[in-house]
Amino acid sequence: DGGITQSPKYLFRKEGQNVTLSCEQNLNHDAMYWYRQDPGQGLRLIYYSQIVNDFQKGDIAEGYSVSREKKESFPLTVTSAQKNPTAFYLCASSTTGTGNSPLHFGNGTRLTVT
Amino acid sequence: AQSVTQPDIHITVSEGASLELRCNYSYGATPYLFWYVQSPGQGLQLLLKYFSGDTLVQGIKGFEAEFKRSQSSFNLRKPSVHWSDAAEYFCAVGPANFGNEKLTFGTGTRLTIIP
Repeated sequence: DGGITQSPKYLFRKEGQNVTLSCEQNLNHDAMYWYRQDPGQGLRLIYYSQIVNDFQKGDIAEGYSVSREKKESFPLTVTSAQKNPTAFYLCASSTTGTGNSPLHFGNGTRLTVT
Repeated sequence: AQSVTQPDIHITVSEGASLELRCNYSYGATPYLFWYVQSPGQGLQLLLKYFSGDTLVQGIKGFEAEFKRSQSSFNLRKPSVHWSDAAEYFCAVGPANFGNEKLTFGTGTRLTIIP
């Protein structure tokens, strides 16, 4: 079945460590996205990529980095510069980056930093 | 700037009763509108979308939503809820002539179903 796989489901890290969240899709979608979800705040866009080897900052990119070396993969690194990294992270993709191409979501990674 | 308001943080409904979840948006032109559902610890699943045309749109799982331009609303409805509908529901709005990077999500409405 086609879909988006995020791993791991739960991740624990010590403060000051960088951590990379994995996102893989086999939907052959061009566009991929990373969102952060906090209770009562909806989803906020961290980074997005409309094509391989290109990506753009979203609304809350500070303290995060991404790469898009392959169409199917869009890993997110949470760096030590991110002041409040504990959150639920969602990866999504769409056939194109246009607004009438709905998002398909993975099942998320819950990151806890202590 | 565009915005989405879901005024109800939490709604409790009896199984078999009807449901309406409210969504109000702010945007200067015709937007793209979406409803997504999220089960606990899971990602979001698209329920339905509105781009243009008929203002009453049908979605999956028996849900429908009505776009009312005069009220800037896109409320989600279901005639009879099932226990499996318990989840969090998100309304989202995007400008019609931009990409998904301009999508704005509401803060969500958590739905509880009681027997």
